Amino acid sequence: GQSLEQPSEVTAVEGAIVQINCTYQTSGFYGLSWYQQHDGGAPTFLSYNALDGLEETGRFSSFLSRSDSYGYLLLQELQMKDSASYFCAVRGLSGGSYIPTFGRGTSLIVHP
Amino acid sequence: DTEVTQTPKHLVMGMTNKKSLKCEQHMGHRAMYWYKQKAKKPPELMFVYSYEKLSINESVPSRFSPECPNSSLLNLHLHALQPEDSALYLCASSYRDNTEAFFGQGTRLTVV
Repeated sequence: GQSLEQPSEVTAVEGAIVQINCTYQTSGFYGLSWYQQHDGGAPTFLSYNALDGLEETGRFSSFLSRSDSYGYLLLQELQMKDSASYFCAVRGLSGGSYIPTFGRGTSLIVHP
Repeated sequence: DTEVTQTPKHLVMGMTNKKSLKCEQHMGHRAMYWYKQKAKKPPELMFVYSYEKLSINESVPSRFSPECPNSSLLNLHLHALQPEDSALYLCASSYRDNTEAFFGQGTRLTVV
């Protein structure tokens, strides 16, 4: 099976930098993704790491270390609109199919 | 067209009703997914279609019946649902079953 761990809640102030960590256990690992979801909305794809290292997309960066089964999402220059839930998701291979599984989500609260 | 479109956005149905949820994408994606999401919880995978064939059924009760008429369309037929089936039902698609997924806005289902 697959399992992911991420903090349930993170708080920060506008303009700050915050890091949301994710550790995972899976068989046949095939990439770690990050999604943002605002209350009442649908998950929005943010980033995907299949190889070790840092991927940067604007204010958001995502990092992966496959040897440590660990990744993180880094949000810089926080804005109030970044308050949302952030999910890490991993794809593992099972029975010839790729099973995408979500972590329990991290609620990010940005204060003025 | 870079969207996954779901209809209806909201649905209220009785326990004896039969209804269908629809999902459409025109991005040439060959993998399509149904997820169920309860409030404050992560999306839970229900079904995966890969190249119009059902590749994953996560032990979903038979009152939920998926259908993939063609590579752009995915339906979820609902029959004899229970109040605890009330949730946000999310459709997603990806280029292949091992690449990042993009979500529709979901159908908020209430079973009365």
